Amino acid sequence: KNQVEQSPQSLIILEGKNCTLQCNYTVSPFSNLRWYKQDTGRGPVSLTIMTFSENTKSNGRYTATLDADTKQSSLHITASQLSDSASYICVVSVNAGNMLTFGGGTRLMVKP
Amino acid sequence: DVKVTQSSRYLVKRTGEKVFLECVQDMDHENMFWYRQDPGLGLRLIYFSYDVKMKEKGDIPEGYSVSREKKERFSLILESASTNQTSMYLCASGPSGRARGTQYFGPGTRLLVL
Repeated sequence: KNQVEQSPQSLIILEGKNCTLQCNYTVSPFSNLRWYKQDTGRGPVSLTIMTFSENTKSNGRYTATLDADTKQSSLHITASQLSDSASYICVVSVNAGNMLTFGGGTRLMVKP
Repeated sequence: DVKVTQSSRYLVKRTGEKVFLECVQDMDHENMFWYRQDPGLGLRLIYFSYDVKMKEKGDIPEGYSVSREKKERFSLILESASTNQTSMYLCASGPSGRARGTQYFGPGTRLLVL
């Protein structure tokens, strides 16, 4: 069964600190992996997308890594800001298909 | 910019009512999706459509139906709303072909069934 597991479920950090969110997946055949940011009461917005051959992708202060051998991904947030408070969802796409497998998300709270 | 809009941000309905949730996308995408999102359960696919008048069941279709009469519009219908359908409903659209798997989400509709 295709699954995406994220950890931690929730995280509180102080403004200006860095943090790393984890994603493990058992989706096969793998096509690509996305990290989405979802603000409270809003729809998810894509931050990064990585295919099998890519092992890192940056979007401003967000850097995603992918290890296709161990089927793990991480999202690193540098110099956190209050506006980073949101849920971060790891999403894996199955090859040759339209379907996505969603992780349960990590809820991040950045405190001043 | 891709734009996916949903007809309502918040809805309050009574048990047994028929509920329509509308979704419109302006990117000429072939694929459209309806999800519900509940705490601790993540996003779960209800139905999707890969073409006008075509629909496929997702993981949790029970109690829902859909309609896609035009390419840009995908409607989710709760025939007889129940309290366990209180949830956040998210619509998404995406292209087919090489870019399939990419989905753009609307802002969501938070539905409360009393």
